[in-house]
Amino acid sequence: GAVVSQHPSWVICKSGTSVKIECRSLDFQATTMFWYRQFPKQSLMLMATSNEGSKATYEQGVEKDKFLINHASLTLSTLTVTSAHPEDSSFYICSARATGEAISPLHFGNGTRLTVT
Amino acid sequence: GQNIDQPTEMTATEGAIVQINCTYQTSGFNGLFWYQQHAGEAPTFLSYNVLDGLEEKGRFSSFLSRSKGYSYLLLKELQMKDSASYLCAAMDSNYQLIWGAGTKLIIKP
Repeated sequence: GAVVSQHPSWVICKSGTSVKIECRSLDFQATTMFWYRQFPKQSLMLMATSNEGSKATYEQGVEKDKFLINHASLTLSTLTVTSAHPEDSSFYICSARATGEAISPLHFGNGTRLTVT
Repeated sequence: GQNIDQPTEMTATEGAIVQINCTYQTSGFNGLFWYQQHAGEAPTFLSYNVLDGLEEKGRFSSFLSRSKGYSYLLLKELQMKDSASYLCAAMDSNYQLIWGAGTKLIIKP
């Protein structure tokens, strides 16, 4: 089955530093990847849609200069949280849909738990 | 606007049956997904319905009524490991997923 690998699984960083999270589709190509954030006991919140070879589309209220997304290949998207603050502490989850399959289940990475101290 | 409604929390007994309901309003419709999410983990895909009716997959079944904007997930022979949040998501005409807030299912012995 389709596998999405997300790394790291967890990270602790100091306030003001930047953190990069990688999302890879291991056995399929993904033109589009999605980045979600989930706070405790809340549902998934879509942050941005990452498109290979073009700029990401950010949801309303998500700062594109703070959450940098790069989708340089059909199997890799990265999310960089710049100048992280404690309020950025959350569970970040990426997902991907196989290229050419608009109506298909999203395959999720295992998530990254970010703690900013 | 687009909206998904599902109960916040449900409790059921091991071995029993539970039905988790979901109502949706979207701009266009390209199907209804159910995902399971254990605490601290990413969601895993359970089912997809785009036509009216019941889709059965082992202990889990999912039902859709497009005219009513309604779906349910039916879990049979509940096991303790089924304790999780169940997320309902509808796909709109732009192939975007609209997520519900999730239903936390608590299984008691």
